[in-house]
Amino acid sequence: ETGVTQSPTHLIKTRGQQVTLRCSSQSGHNTVSWYQQALGQGPQFIFQYYREEENGRGNFPPRFSGLQFPNYSSELNVNALELDDSALYLCASSWGTTLMDTQYFGPGTRLTVL
Amino acid sequence: RKEVEQDPGPFNVPEGATVAFNCTYSNSASQSFFWYRQDCRKEPKLLMSVYSSGNEDGRFTAQLNRASQYISLLIRDSKLSDSATYLCVVNLGNEKLTFGTGTRLTIIP
Repeated sequence: ETGVTQSPTHLIKTRGQQVTLRCSSQSGHNTVSWYQQALGQGPQFIFQYYREEENGRGNFPPRFSGLQFPNYSSELNVNALELDDSALYLCASSWGTTLMDTQYFGPGTRLTVL
Repeated sequence: RKEVEQDPGPFNVPEGATVAFNCTYSNSASQSFFWYRQDCRKEPKLLMSVYSSGNEDGRFTAQLNRASQYISLLIRDSKLSDSATYLCVVNLGNEKLTFGTGTRLTIIP
């Protein structure tokens, strides 16, 4: 186990709704990255948070937003859900922001949009 | 052309055999390379980093070919427990991890 936890494990929403996903990073880690993994695809980088500030963003629209809290846990918010948002959402924590810092993934939240 | 490209498989290989996967990447400035393993409905886990000189970890060997822009993973004496999806991961020079679609491997008894 990596020590990274995510909640909820599964979620079903309808188009147009909003969703908040949560991630608790491994103890001692100050960086959280979020990924979207559609079925049969590799994870796609959404954004990264370092010490409560966004530190890099992938090709996702502004309706994907996030927060990081002083304890380094993080939230991913998605507004105006679309059917294509159905995916496994993974967070990964690390100590530091460079890619030499190993990222440890949580078990993911599986989101289904109907 | 995809930024990181892998053969999705599936590769069905008998137990004890040797299997190799390749992965190509688009940006010659890429600096960091990794192989992750993902079991069905689980999160990815780091299998190994890939170093310029090549590196080995037990039955697993990773190689980097910068001239041809590909990395490879070799698994020797494959075990049933090696069945998983293997994800090629590259830092394309923009300090974010870019994942390939993964190669599915099934080891057959």
